[in-house]
Amino acid sequence: GAVVSQHPSWVICKSGTSVKIECRSLDFQATTMFWYRQFPKQSLMLMATSNEGSKATYEQGVEKDKFLINHASLTLSTLTVTSAHPEDSSFYICSARDHRRLAAGELFFGEGSRLTVL
Amino acid sequence: DAKTTQPPSMDCAEGRAANLPCNHSTISGNEYVYWYRQIHSQGPQYIIHGLKNNETNEMASLIITEDRKSSTLILPHATLRDTAVYYCIVNQGGKLIFGQGTELSVKP
Repeated sequence: GAVVSQHPSWVICKSGTSVKIECRSLDFQATTMFWYRQFPKQSLMLMATSNEGSKATYEQGVEKDKFLINHASLTLSTLTVTSAHPEDSSFYICSARDHRRLAAGELFFGEGSRLTVL
Repeated sequence: DAKTTQPPSMDCAEGRAANLPCNHSTISGNEYVYWYRQIHSQGPQYIIHGLKNNETNEMASLIITEDRKSSTLILPHATLRDTAVYYCIVNQGGKLIFGQGTELSVKP
């Protein structure tokens, strides 16, 4: 299957700093990428839809000024957690859809990035 | 909100078939059903998807009822490595909204 890679896989930062997480589609082009967040023992929660060359669409309750998303190319989307606080500590997961397989619709997920804010 | 409901947990003996049910009674005619699984602290792994017909691949089989209101994922010979949370998802306007899934425990 298609490969989606995230970096870093884990990060620890101090409260008040900003952290950037990258999501890359390695063997396909992705016009659309999605960012999810997962707290311990909970399911994945969709945060936003990232479209190449346009502004991201955020789900209700997700602060767009806190979670900055950039999708500058067909293979890269970035999520920046600005002024991170301990409550932002979570597992962040991206996913991408192969633009050649839009009709099929399946998403391919990255390995996830675990953020711990001290 | 997720459009699917699944039992929170199931057990299966190693080597036996695991049958994971999912209800999606409000599914629309052109919405696919997707199955993913997540092993602890990893990203979800795609398993299979279908629209109307039953589907089979190297990982699993998907049985969709004729009225499309429910489906069953079948792992024909479960192994210990199949222990994971299994998510049944209906594509909602191009988005995959996860429900709580079924935690499958495969036991020796």
